[in-house]
Amino acid sequence: ETGVTQTPRHLVMGMTNKKSLKCEQHLGHNAMYWYKQSAKKPLELMFVYNFKEQTENNSVPSRFSPECPNSSHLFLHLHTLQPEDSALYLCASSQESQENSPLHFGNGTRLTVT
Amino acid sequence: GENVEQHPSTLSVQEGDSAVIKCTYSDSASNYFPWYKQELGKRPQLIIDIRSNVGEKKDQRIAVTLNKTAKHFSLHITETQPEDSAVYFCAASIDGMRFGAGTRLTVKP
Repeated sequence: ETGVTQTPRHLVMGMTNKKSLKCEQHLGHNAMYWYKQSAKKPLELMFVYNFKEQTENNSVPSRFSPECPNSSHLFLHLHTLQPEDSALYLCASSQESQENSPLHFGNGTRLTVT
Repeated sequence: GENVEQHPSTLSVQEGDSAVIKCTYSDSASNYFPWYKQELGKRPQLIIDIRSNVGEKKDQRIAVTLNKTAKHFSLHITETQPEDSAVYFCAASIDGMRFGAGTRLTVKP
């Protein structure tokens, strides 16, 4: 049990589909994050939520829409994606979105856009 | 924003040898530097971290050094074992965690 659970593990979707990724953390943390991991690229920070409030949107296209109903749950709603959006999407949590809080990652959702 | 560069991108060593991975960062205000290990098909996991008020930290076979003046930090793994084979990521934290591109370490038995 990782403490941060992501579903689904794998997702294949067409460019016209709408789908959602789910993340849940059982660590009592107050900050949650979405990262995108593509081959041979650094982990890209997408969104940061601290105490349910979005504190950072790292110039992410509007076809990615995050939702954080409470400190334990985080969603990433996807619509009209492009093939280049295929990647591993990692959710993470930390005590707070402070500068020196370690991140705890989920196992990720492997997304393929066809 | 912060920019983190990591070298080398791949590293192959013989079992028992040492491995060193180096990172540089651009924002002198960064004050927290973690290292993560990601095995194939698994999530990144924190292996060691260092804060800007410390120059060196060691945990068994793993050590991290930080040079704030030069804005670089390094991961040192001694007596490497095959199970150390993985991708290692450095990160610097200011306005959110920024990661290096990763180093694929292969330890040959």
